[in-house]
Amino acid sequence: DAGVIQSPRHEVTEMGQEVTLRCKPISGHNSLFWYRQTMMRGLELLIYFNNNVPIDDSGMPEDRFSAKMPNASFSTLKIQPSEPRDSAVYFCASSFRQGTTYEQYFGPGTRLTVT
Amino acid sequence: GQSLEQPSEVTAVEGAIVQINCTYQTSGFYGLSWYQQHDGGAPTFLSYNALDGLEETGRFSSFLSRSDSYGYLLLQELQMKDSASYFCAVSQAGTALIFGKGTTLSVSS
Repeated sequence: DAGVIQSPRHEVTEMGQEVTLRCKPISGHNSLFWYRQTMMRGLELLIYFNNNVPIDDSGMPEDRFSAKMPNASFSTLKIQPSEPRDSAVYFCASSFRQGTTYEQYFGPGTRLTVT
Repeated sequence: GQSLEQPSEVTAVEGAIVQINCTYQTSGFYGLSWYQQHDGGAPTFLSYNALDGLEETGRFSSFLSRSDSYGYLLLQELQMKDSASYFCAVSQAGTALIFGKGTTLSVSS
């Protein structure tokens, strides 16, 4: 079975540009999570969805960040406009159901560099 | 608020046993998870403790004491491939996992 799929794997962009990260969760999983990882701040939860509905977006840094999950098999995280401090690895993860969110399956991540 | 504390670095030699501690402060606690992340890779799930006691999975074991808000991951018969970062994470009511800052384990020969 395919795991969580993320694209692109690497993204280099200039400050002010729009960035869209994509995620396909594992089929049958109905919880989806977006994380950001940096050396300074560690692994931070940005937002999570259950059954395509955003449940907790308190980790989204500011209005420049937005996330959508139009269906059970696709989610996007958009940054507009991007800034150098957004440089990080962004992970998407999914889990089978809300009661078992302790066992999450992570995608390979998108390494974002904003110059 | 909530917080998790774990050591930033641990070093050990092949064949040894190492314990990575995690203390937490949170409300609505459900359980404690452990994840492993190799350099450049993604976190992978190792174990979960909801009840007090020790859970064993091969060379890895995880322990939880709810009364002490404390848990640990025990790695036995260390191998070079165990060099990685290890994260504890708490499950709590109404939200998703909250991860600690991670412990970097370096195993030398």
